[in-house]
Amino acid sequence: NAGVTQTPKFRILKIGQSMTLQCTQDMNHNYMYWYRQDPGMGLKLIYYSVGAGITDKGEVPNGYNVSRSTTEDFPLRLELAAPSQTSVYFCASSRGASGRRETQYFGPGTRLLVL
Amino acid sequence: AQKVTQAQTEISVVEKEDVTLDCVYETRDTTYYLFWYKQPPSGELVFLIRRNSFDEQNEISGRYSWNFQKSTSSFNFTITASQVVDSAVYFCALSGINNDMRFGAGTRLTVKP
Repeated sequence: NAGVTQTPKFRILKIGQSMTLQCTQDMNHNYMYWYRQDPGMGLKLIYYSVGAGITDKGEVPNGYNVSRSTTEDFPLRLELAAPSQTSVYFCASSRGASGRRETQYFGPGTRLLVL
Repeated sequence: AQKVTQAQTEISVVEKEDVTLDCVYETRDTTYYLFWYKQPPSGELVFLIRRNSFDEQNEISGRYSWNFQKSTSSFNFTITASQVVDSAVYFCALSGINNDMRFGAGTRLTVKP
């Protein structure tokens, strides 16, 4: 049981490039989330999903897109990378029985640097 | 709007000292959940505790204890007899009726040998 896994661990992008951050969970959780953590700050919710085929915006969705075709996977897409997107990105999942107030389990994070 | 404030940006203690991390929250919801997460230097986020708004009992888990007081909108976290391995950033978080999880900015705890 690997929990929540994220790839890559670290990536450098040039301004304007695109990339997809991968997130997979093997706990059969319904809810999945993407957060970003800027230096010295707490986490801010980008997007979340309550199940396959259903996604919704969080607090800071601009510049990102998501999809949820399976229960296990929740990729985050950056279409035109900007320096403001330099951050550490965390994926998380929760069972979903009590909505988003449940305990969320986090992946190890992806550190992204946009130059 | 929901808000979590962790006023202590950084705390430094010597091993075996007790330390309390403060968390003050704002919400208009009557039903909400509070969380504490630990982020060690390796970077991952580790769940520590979840408490709902109807349960004001203090909780103790080994050297960790949590004091939830609705009257002061606080959910403080105390580590007794701190150890070097406790060095980490600790986040307090709040989730209300709209299921919008908000994190505080975190408190960096350094425990020196």
